[in-house]
Amino acid sequence: GAVVSQHPSRVICKSGTSVKIECRSLDFQATTMFWYRQFPKQSLMLMATSNEGSKATYEQGVEKDKFLINHASLTLSTLTVTSAHPEDSSFYICSARPTQNSPTGELFFGEGSRLTVL
Amino acid sequence: KQEVTQIPAALSVPEGENLVLNCSFTDSAIYNLQWFRQDPGKGLTSLLLIQSSQREQTSGRLNASLDKSSGRSTLYIAASQPGDSATYLCAVSSYNFNKFYFGSGTKLNVKP
Repeated sequence: GAVVSQHPSRVICKSGTSVKIECRSLDFQATTMFWYRQFPKQSLMLMATSNEGSKATYEQGVEKDKFLINHASLTLSTLTVTSAHPEDSSFYICSARPTQNSPTGELFFGEGSRLTVL
Repeated sequence: KQEVTQIPAALSVPEGENLVLNCSFTDSAIYNLQWFRQDPGKGLTSLLLIQSSQREQTSGRLNASLDKSSGRSTLYIAASQPGDSATYLCAVSSYNFNKFYFGSGTKLNVKP
């Protein structure tokens, strides 16, 4: 199956710093990527839809200036958590859908990135 | 707004038992439904995908069914093994592919 890679898998930072998480589709091109956030023992919450070459679409309640998303190429989307605070500590997961659509519309997920803000 | 519910939230069974996980959704206008497995601290692994025109999909010991009109899907796991212990999530995709709604998951523990 298609592979989506996230980096870093774990990051610890001090409050007030910014952290960048990368999401790469390794063997396919993805016009659209999705960023999710998952709190302990809860399900995934969609944060934003990342579109290659255009602005991301954010879900209601997600601060676009706080969570900067860049989708500069068909294989890379980045999520930057700016001025991180302890409440931003969470598990962030990206997913991607092949541009050459699989007729099934199947989504492929990265391994996730655990952010801990001290 | 689409809402996805999974029951039970947690399930503990002895090894070898057959089991059923349930997923329900409120809006039947879906494109597909996907079942995932998530191990602690890890991302999601796709298990089965059922398109809206299909009624079931099978992969090894797993069988997923879909009744779109009633807004229900089940994931059947045969002859469960300790290695099946994980959280199982179902998700439905809207027709324009821009939304993917997740259930809260069922945490499965298979005891040796």
